[in-house]
Amino acid sequence: DAGVIQSPRHEVTEMGQEVTLRCKPISGHDYLFWYRQTMMRGLELLIYFNNNVPIDDSGMPEDRFSAKMPNASFSTLKIQPSEPRDSAVYFCASSPNRADNEQFFGPGTRLTVL
Amino acid sequence: SQKIEQNSEALNIQEGKTATLTCNYTNYSPAYLQWYRQDPGRGPVFLLLIRENEKEKRKERLKVTFDTTLKQSLFHITASQPADSATYLCALYAAGNKLTFGGGTRVLVKP
Repeated sequence: DAGVIQSPRHEVTEMGQEVTLRCKPISGHDYLFWYRQTMMRGLELLIYFNNNVPIDDSGMPEDRFSAKMPNASFSTLKIQPSEPRDSAVYFCASSPNRADNEQFFGPGTRLTVL
Repeated sequence: SQKIEQNSEALNIQEGKTATLTCNYTNYSPAYLQWYRQDPGRGPVFLLLIRENEKEKRKERLKVTFDTTLKQSLFHITASQPADSATYLCALYAAGNKLTFGGGTRVLVKP
């Protein structure tokens, strides 16, 4: 199994631009999570899905952030418009069966907003 | 408010010694606690899970304890090796809530 796949690995953009991060979870995993990691705030959960349905989006910082999961093998996290304070590493993780199982993380996308 | 605290200072340890990391929490009643390892430029990797009714869990050279009275988990790496150098994250799951991570502790094992 290839594990969780994220793209792009690095993204540099200018303030005000739209950014789309992509994730392919491990096949058969029912749960998908989007996290953001910064030095100041650590690893924060933004949103998670169960069977493609968003369950908890209370961690999404603002309306500028949106996430979708159109099918079991693909999810996107979109920031529009992006701001410098959005600069962080964004991780996607997936988990089988239950929300309290171990999570399998992707390699992350390092986002820099200039 | 709910808090998870891990020592933010790096832990420097000599190869072969036991590294002990602490995870303290307040205002949580966690159903279980997980420990992850994160290497630079990579995502966290799951190591161990310990439930609220378990006192201790072991996996190879790793040992985790969970004291719900002290609201603390200890993570031990015995016979540490330079390859154990990484950041270690604890994460708490309380029923009905999401998995919440601590800030992590960086471990550096010197040969």
